[in-house]
Amino acid sequence: DGGITQSPKYLFRKEGQNVTLSCEQNLNHDAMYWYRQDPGQGLRLIYYSQIVNDFQKGDIAEGYSVSREKKESFPLTVTSAQKNPTAFYLCASKDGRGKNEKLFFGSGTQLSVL
Amino acid sequence: LAKTTQPISMDSYEGQEVNITCSHNNIATNDYITWYQQFPSQGPRFIIQGYKTKVTNEVASLFIPADRKSSTLSLPRVSLSDTAVYYCLVGDMAGTASKLTFGTGTRLQVTL
Repeated sequence: DGGITQSPKYLFRKEGQNVTLSCEQNLNHDAMYWYRQDPGQGLRLIYYSQIVNDFQKGDIAEGYSVSREKKESFPLTVTSAQKNPTAFYLCASKDGRGKNEKLFFGSGTQLSVL
Repeated sequence: LAKTTQPISMDSYEGQEVNITCSHNNIATNDYITWYQQFPSQGPRFIIQGYKTKVTNEVASLFIPADRKSSTLSLPRVSLSDTAVYYCLVGDMAGTASKLTFGTGTRLQVTL
């Protein structure tokens, strides 16, 4: 059963704490993305990765960090520098072999601040 | 990067056809137009994708004029379950070197 798995579904962060959101895909996709969605708003790009050991900042990267040590995994760390982390976080991936590929999304992680 | 503009919201009655238009004036030659549907607390789901002219699948049609500066998603005979947010994504979908950014989406409300 192929797809993108995000965990946990719900996550709570205390003040000053770093938390890591997991994103795993078994679609053999090269590109992976992280988006943030605030209530009633659209998706904003945090980071994206084209290939293992390479990633680029999106539009709202401040306060976040990522790693891409394996093709199937792209974890997102929300650091204490992110002062307003409460949001719905979505991970996506895309194949890189065709010219009209599409994004596949996980089911999301809701992060809240205690 | 092609910026997209969509209506913030639309209302429809069940059984009607709904057309949602997306403007993308600075679309690039390699850009494709992809539409997604999102329900609350879920990831967006692919609906349809096109490059030019008309594309149709089992759930929707996509109309793209010759200049490609806009596109229209057409949902035939909507039902209550089509109430969702619809996003138009314009970007180079080839390879992996794509910074793919979404617009604000259109919130469709379907009622009886």
